[in-house]
Amino acid sequence: EDQVTQSPEALRLQEGESSSLNCSYTVSGLRGLFWYRQDPGKGPEFLFTLYSAGEEKEKERLKATLTKKESFLHITAPKPEDSATYLCAVARGGYQKVTFGTGTKLQVIP
Amino acid sequence: GAGVSQSPRYKVAKRGQDVALRCDPISGHVSLFWYQQALGQGPEFLTYFQNEAQLDKSGLPSDRFFAERPEGSVSTLKIQRTQQEDSAVYLCASSLTEGPYEQYFGPGTRLTVT
Repeated sequence: EDQVTQSPEALRLQEGESSSLNCSYTVSGLRGLFWYRQDPGKGPEFLFTLYSAGEEKEKERLKATLTKKESFLHITAPKPEDSATYLCAVARGGYQKVTFGTGTKLQVIP
Repeated sequence: GAGVSQSPRYKVAKRGQDVALRCDPISGHVSLFWYQQALGQGPEFLTYFQNEAQLDKSGLPSDRFFAERPEGSVSTLKIQRTQQEDSAVYLCASSLTEGPYEQYFGPGTRLTVT
């Protein structure tokens, strides 16, 4: 059974205070690891796909990295508009099912 | 451009009633997914369509849940004889290619069973 564990559950940062969110995963034959952002009352919004250990992707203040056991979402100099729940998910090779973690709720205070 | 739309946005059903939830994916998207999201949890996979073919329905919780995508575009998730435990947000997502990549989600339908 594929498993995704995200930590911390909640994170409160001052504007400009950089930090990282963790996603630990267990999957047999990783097809892809995904990061999504979800605002209250909305569906998740796609951020990144990572395919293999050592891969990194960046978008504005966000950078996602991947090892064989975990992924990190680094947030550099966050702004209040970065406040959201960040979801990590994995898919197994040969399958379409995506397994999501429970998310990290990020609050950035001005 | 138009994103994924879902209707209704909110649905209240009495226990035992049947409900139908609609998803309009982005035009031309091959893949379509349905998820169930409980409060404070991540989305939980229900089923996957590639065009009109339902290739994975392993996440449907019981035979009361049924999904279709007859012409490879609009999809409907039907829940028969609703139970209180069916109360959740139902999310639909589509992606351009085959597989679970770069999914575009709709706003969801919040189902409350009383």
